[in-house]
Amino acid sequence: QKEVEQDPGPLSVPEGAIVSLNCTYSNSAFQYFMWYRQYSRKGPELLMYTYSSGNKEDGRFTAQVDKSSKYISLFIRDSQPSDSATYLCAMRGGLTGGGNKLTFGTGTQLKVEL
Amino acid sequence: NAGVMQNPRHLVRRRGQEARLRCSPMKGHSHVYWYRQLPEEGLKFMVYLQKENIIDESGMPKERFSAEFPKEGPSILRIQQVVRGDSAAYFCASSHDSNSPLHFGNGTRLTVT
Repeated sequence: QKEVEQDPGPLSVPEGAIVSLNCTYSNSAFQYFMWYRQYSRKGPELLMYTYSSGNKEDGRFTAQVDKSSKYISLFIRDSQPSDSATYLCAMRGGLTGGGNKLTFGTGTQLKVEL
Repeated sequence: NAGVMQNPRHLVRRRGQEARLRCSPMKGHSHVYWYRQLPEEGLKFMVYLQKENIIDESGMPKERFSAEFPKEGPSILRIQQVVRGDSAAYFCASSHDSNSPLHFGNGTRLTVT
């Protein structure tokens, strides 16, 4: 079993839709959770960075972490064609639990259609 | 552009040759990480370096792979005697300290023929 599970998609939605992307994980030592966006032939771009459980909002993006269920989500409101990309979840332990070594999901490919 | 710079963007090597991948971290960042991305797989951690020190190389294959981050100049990921299975995208990331978010470069795509 992988430490981080992520549905690869592809996920296709109409422009303006609310998108929900999710990851589950098995390692209870993970404390920091990130979402990266990766366009084709580009490097991952950091979207959201959260610590422990709770919600964090940044513009059209909301990240949720539920440590009790080992489940994290990224919501994208009013989705745009420019949001079409692969979304990677990533996580790591605390300062004494693996440092800054990230464990990634395999990514969900999102396509927002006009 | 003050982002993480990687070169070359594309590298083609024949089996048995050496591959050298370079990474210049973001300005002010002294922590460098190398990740490998294979098709249908997520990014896999390889090695974590600070200036002149390897901090964590638990993701590096035991043979043929090495990494350095000298006092002056970019970080180098070196793959000796490349094999077809080494074909992948190699990404470098940097951070300000061991607890700050990672910022990635656009990668080097290595093809072994």
